[in-house]
Amino acid sequence: AQSVTQPDIHITVSEGASLELRCNYSYGATPYLFWYVQSPGQGLQLLLKYFSGDTLVQGIKGFEAEFKRSQSSFNLRKPSVHWSDAAEYFCAVSPNQAGTALIFGKGTTLSVSS
Amino acid sequence: EPEVTQTPSHQVTQMGQEVILRCVPISNHLYFYWYRQILGQKVEFLVSFYNNEISEKSEIFDDQFSVERPDGSNFTLKIRSTKLEDSAMYFCASDGRQGPSNEKLFFGSGTQLSVL
Repeated sequence: AQSVTQPDIHITVSEGASLELRCNYSYGATPYLFWYVQSPGQGLQLLLKYFSGDTLVQGIKGFEAEFKRSQSSFNLRKPSVHWSDAAEYFCAVSPNQAGTALIFGKGTTLSVSS
Repeated sequence: EPEVTQTPSHQVTQMGQEVILRCVPISNHLYFYWYRQILGQKVEFLVSFYNNEISEKSEIFDDQFSVERPDGSNFTLKIRSTKLEDSAMYFCASDGRQGPSNEKLFFGSGTQLSVL
């Protein structure tokens, strides 16, 4: 069965410092991989996605993620965090099939300290 | 940018009552979804809907739940007899399917359902 693991429940990073949020997935074939962000009281906003091709994908708000098949990982990174990045981050996976559900991880809460 | 609209943003109901959560997907989208997020837990898939029928549903989506596209613009989730454990944030999503699965998936801002 497909699953997504986000090992870190809560991370605190100083403003201006770099960030890496971990995501590991379990899936037989190459999945489609996503990172979503949820700010308080808001819906889910897509940061970036990986379907195929270049394993380093760029997203919005200066985020990037790298797909590593050997490690079954899709970690999210940002070189310099801003206070407005404080939010909940969800990694998700889906197979290549029409109308298929996204499987979400439990999320990582990012706090940014000044 | 197009957006998925959900109403109401917050709904309070008594246990055993019926609730209908409403969503207006992005026009010309063909695939529609409901997800929910219980406080402190992961976002969970409930159901997907395509061509006026359910294409996939999770084990959460039991007989108490139903979905409908009553007209060309709305997509509703009905809970027939709410339970305390139905309290959650419910997200609607629609998918433009111009490419791989979920490539054009947009989420609404959610309806917070509180069952008392």
